[in-house]
Parts: sequence; structure tokens; C-alpha cells
Amino acid sequence: EAQVTQNPRYLITVTGKKLTVTCSQNMNHEYMSWYRQDPGLGLRQIYYSMNVEVTDKGDVPEGYKVSRKEKRNFPLILESPSPNQTSLYFCASRLSAAHNEQFFGPGTRLTVL
Amino acid sequence: RKEVEQDPGPFNVPEGATVAFNCTYSNSASQSFFWYRQDCRKEPKLLMSVYSSGNEDGRFTAQLNRASQYISLLIRDSKLSDSATYLCVVNIRNDYKLSFGAGTTVTVRA
Repeated sequence: EAQVTQNPRYLITVTGKKLTVTCSQNMNHEYMSWYRQDPGLGLRQIYYSMNVEVTDKGDVPEGYKVSRKEKRNFPLILESPSPNQTSLYFCASRLSAAHNEQFFGPGTRLTVL
Repeated sequence: RKEVEQDPGPFNVPEGATVAFNCTYSNSASQSFFWYRQDCRKEPKLLMSVYSSGNEDGRFTAQLNRASQYISLLIRDSKLSDSATYLCVVNIRNDYKLSFGAGTTVTVRA
């Protein structure tokens, strides 16, 4: 089944404890993104990757890192999480930057205490 | 000003009713337009693309008005299963970024 997977789905952590949210897609998509969704603000792009080893900042990159060593994986790293990073996170992929239909993972609900 | 703005609603409608809502976008260079559906904090899924001439997909009709920079979604004969948040999405092609509205919530009641 073609899909985007994320893990963990739910995470409660404390300020300053490094964490990684994994994202993987099995559709051979070139373009991958991370978003956060907060009430009233919609989906805001954190980072995106046009292809392997190519990553760039989105609208709200502060406090986050990503890597794209393989085409299928695009992990999101929070080196020192803070409470303002409590949010619902979605990974997404699409065939290429020029293609419009985007497929989302199931989401990761992160709470930073 | 936000790139994409939507009335958050909620629009509470009885089964069988017609409901319509708009989305405005700020960048006149926007090239592609979409409606995504999101159920109760689950992942968004593509509902339909919006074409210049307007398009239908079953009970759903999407329209684009470039002069006034808005798109619309109309749902006919509403079903309980149409209850969801509808996200307006705009693609400004020169940077490939998809800009998302905050969503319009529709609740269909029996």
C-alpha cells in the first residue's frame, strides 16, 4: 500500500530532551516536507526537501533540523524541544516539486512539558 | 496579511442542504488551487483540484475567480459524512510551495 508513515504517533517529552520523529514514504517521491499544525494557523511548512541531500527551510524552521540521506526517509529532529513546539506534526510527500498532489502521514502529536 | 484566508466557520447544516464557502488568496501569481479535506485532526487528503473553468466531482463543485482572487467550494445534498474541515491550498509555482488556509469546518446534522 502506497503510504507515508510517521513515528511516534504520540509523544510527551520534557524541555531540552532531544527527539527525532521519523518519516518514511514508499512511493519513490522526490519531494518531502514537514509541517506543523496549530489551531487557527493552518499548516505551516517547517522544512522541505526537493531530493536526496537537498533540504531547505520553510516558513517556521527555528528549533528544527532535518536530513535526507535516502529518498524514502526524512526525519525531523528537535535538538532541544521547548513548550512552544507542542503541536501536531505532519510529514508529506509528492512525486516532485512540480507535482501538486501531496500525500500526508498520519501525524505526530507532540507535547513538550 | 495571510497568503490564504478562510472563514473558520463552523457551518452547521442539516442533511440534504447545500453549503458553500470561499477562500481568498493574496498572491496574484498563484497558479494552482486545491481543496483538501481533514477529518478531526487526522491527515489532510486531497478532495479536488480547482480548474479555471470550474469543475464538479459528484456533489462537490469548485470555482475559481482570478479577478477577485478567491476560490469556492459548494457541497450539494450534504451527508453526515461530509462533516470535516476543508482546507484551501494554493500553489505559487515559482517556489513550489503549497500554502494552506486554516480551514473551514462543516458540521452536517441529522
